Amino acid sequence: GQNIDQPTEMTATEGAIVQINCTYQTSGFNGLFWYQQHAGEAPTFLSYNVLDGLEEKGRFSSFLSRSKGYSYLLLKELQMKDSASYLCAPMDSNYQLIWGAGTKLIIKP
Amino acid sequence: GAVVSQHPSRVICKSGTSVKIECRSLDFQATTMFWYRQFPKQSLMLMATSNEGSKATYEQGVEKDKFLINHASLTLSTLTVTSAHPEDSSFYICSARTGGGQETQYFGPGTRLLVL
Repeated sequence: GQNIDQPTEMTATEGAIVQINCTYQTSGFNGLFWYQQHAGEAPTFLSYNVLDGLEEKGRFSSFLSRSKGYSYLLLKELQMKDSASYLCAPMDSNYQLIWGAGTKLIIKP
Repeated sequence: GAVVSQHPSRVICKSGTSVKIECRSLDFQATTMFWYRQFPKQSLMLMATSNEGSKATYEQGVEKDKFLINHASLTLSTLTVTSAHPEDSSFYICSARTGGGQETQYFGPGTRLLVL
């Protein structure tokens, strides 16, 4: 079956760094997306990894290891506005995104 | 990034009425559009996938006669919730994908439906 495993909730301090891990199992694989979703809003696209390695985009970086079925999202210099849910969404062989419940990130001053 | 709009953003209706939600890709042509539903504190649930000019593909358990989807053009898809009931109250979100090797889905802002 298809499965995504992310921590349900994480807490971090403003200005710090946090890493959100994601392990996944899919039927085929066509890359992995990270989305940010603020409460009551729709998801917004953060990153897409299709090859192994680290993709850096400003304060956010995303890493992928296809052989391990593992990805992480790294957030640096945390700001209060980063409080949101972060969704790891791998794409299966049918180009369908597989969604889990995401990780709720709480930023404290 | 690509912009997707959704209208209305919020709707309240009486039980038994029908509600139409529009999803538009504003600055790109969307070969594929997706309709999701999300209940509070739950994950996104894909309802259906629609390709321009063809019938939508519904996920298991989603009633196609109740949730009518029309993808009339490369920039517009509509979802009509027919004979709405209180249990249909939810957050409905569309997303669009350009295709042609660009598989990123861009989401609309969502429509919050409350059926009384």
